[in-house]
Parts: sequence; C-alpha cells; structure tokens
Amino acid sequence: DAGITQSPRYKITETGRQVTLMCHQTWSHSYMFWYRQDLGHGLRLIYYSAAADITDKGEVPDGYVVSRSKTENFPLTLESATRSQTSVYFCASRRLAGGLDTQYFGPGTRLTVL
Amino acid sequence: DAKTTQPNSMESNEEEPVHLPCNHSTISGTDYIHWYRQLPSQGPEYVIHGLTSNVNNRMASLAIAEDRKSSTLILHRATLRDAAVYYCILRRVSGRDDKIIFGKGTRLHILP
Repeated sequence: DAGITQSPRYKITETGRQVTLMCHQTWSHSYMFWYRQDLGHGLRLIYYSAAADITDKGEVPDGYVVSRSKTENFPLTLESATRSQTSVYFCASRRLAGGLDTQYFGPGTRLTVL
Repeated sequence: DAKTTQPNSMESNEEEPVHLPCNHSTISGTDYIHWYRQLPSQGPEYVIHGLTSNVNNRMASLAIAEDRKSSTLILHRATLRDAAVYYCILRRVSGRDDKIIFGKGTRLHILP
C-alpha cells in the first residue's frame, strides 16, 4: 500500500550512541519533514528537505543530521544521543496537487535515550 | 514567521457544533491557513486549509475573517472520535523555504 512509514516504531538506546530513524514514502513527494514531539510541546520541526540532495534546518536542528540521497527516503541520525533527545519523532511528506497542499505524517518513532 | 494563537483546551458536548478559534494577527497576504489534528497516539492529519474565502470539506468548515487576522475551524457535529489536538498553522512559501511550523494547538475534549 502507498503511504509513509517509519522504522523502528520504538527504540531504546544509551547516551552517546548513534541512532538512525528511517522514513520512507511511496508517493514521490518532493518535500519531506522531521518533527519531534515532547510532552507539553507541540510539534517542533527539526529538518526538512525540498528534494533529493536538498535539506534545510528547522527550529531545533542541533544534534541531528539528515540526508536525502533518494526522493523516497529521509533518514534522521542522532550522532551522539542525549537524554534530551528522548521524544516521539514524526516524519512527513507534502503533497501539492489539484489545489490541495497537504502533509502526510508517519505513525511516529518513540525514542528513549537512557 | 507569522505566529498563531489558540486556546490551550476546549470542551464540547457530543453531537453539538464546535468552533475552534485561531488568531493570526501578523498574517501576510500570501500565508495560507491550514488546520491539522492529532488523534491520541497518532501522527497529525490534514483537516482543511484556505486563503481568503471560507472553505468546506467532508471533515469541517473553515471560516476566515475578512481581515484574515483570525479564523475558526467548525466541526458541525462533534463525535467522541473528534477528541484530538487541533493545530492552526500558517504556511508561507518563499522559494525553497517552505517550513510548516506547528504551535501547541488546542486540545479538544468531547463530553458524551
């Protein structure tokens, strides 16, 4: 089925380890986004990408790295995880067609950093 | 980036209409007003968007003030499944800089 998927859905890691969260979409949407969501906060934009090989910082990019070698994939890497990066991470893609401008979100990855 | 202001939470009775307000006094002429909602333990989903005119779709209606400094999302007949956090967002497109920034939203409680 077409859609946007994230893996893993749940991840527990330790401080200082590298972690990569995967995001895959089957629509070939140009734009993709990574958000984090913490208790008491709404969604905060980490990074976004307008197309393959084009990425830009969002509101809270520090401690994260992204890449976009293929349109359908947008992995997010925590190079050295910290406890403050414990959060739920959402990936999204954006569809522009027929007067509609819509973001589609994945199911989220719940990351715990011990 | 232009900001939006929403109440932290609202309550409504089941099967009654719900009006969710959003203020965006610094909106620019090219900002679109988008609404998303997030059901418990799920990612956000698109509800509706508009520029100047009121909009209707199968999920909701969007009423935009004439000066565009505020808007209201209308759920015509709320059900328990409409309990969610509702986000009002301004989307500004400026070349490649197409960020979509979410605020804290309004948590809508539906009373049976």
